[in-house]
Amino acid sequence: AQSVSQHNHHVILSEAASLELGCNYSYGGTVNLFWYVQYPGQHLQLLLKYFSGDPLVKGIKGFEAEFIKSKFSFNLRKPSVQWSDTAEYFCAVSPQGGSEKLVFGKGTKLTVNP
Amino acid sequence: GAVVSQHPSRVICKSGTSVKIECRSLDFQATTMFWYRQFPKKSLMLMATSNEGSKATYEQGVEKDKFLINHASLTLSTLTVTSAHPEDSSFYICSASNRQGYTFGSGTRLTVV
Repeated sequence: AQSVSQHNHHVILSEAASLELGCNYSYGGTVNLFWYVQYPGQHLQLLLKYFSGDPLVKGIKGFEAEFIKSKFSFNLRKPSVQWSDTAEYFCAVSPQGGSEKLVFGKGTKLTVNP
Repeated sequence: GAVVSQHPSRVICKSGTSVKIECRSLDFQATTMFWYRQFPKKSLMLMATSNEGSKATYEQGVEKDKFLINHASLTLSTLTVTSAHPEDSSFYICSASNRQGYTFGSGTRLTVV
């Protein structure tokens, strides 16, 4: 069965600091990978996704993620965070060509202090 | 872009009653929709996969008789929490898959008193 592991439960940064959130997955086949963000009181929004091709994926709001197949990882990065990036971030995986089930990690809460 | 509308956003019900939550894809057809439950400070747990015109597929540990799912059309799936109890209080989220990936509803906060 698929599983997704997000190692950081809560990350606290100051504005302008660089961000990297870890995500590792467990699945034997080819996968699609996603990062979602949930701002306080709002619904999930897609930040970026990887289906195939260039393993470095750029998303909205300056976020990017790199798929490293050998490490089963899809870490999220942003060079300089802003206070408005304070939110919960979820990594998710679905198998390609399968049942389309999307499995989420437990999420990482990011707090950016002004 | 693709939009999924979920209703109601918040509901309070008495223990023992049933509550229906609707999930609509507004500008696309969704043959498959998904229902999640989000616990405080925890991730989204997939409850079931809703398939248009056929029975839902439930994840292990999810009571199908308690969480009834109906996907009668390509744009509407409903989740009915039957004989709700306080432990069913949670945040329920639906999503639909499309070419761009997955679009999520805004969620329903269910409180059972």
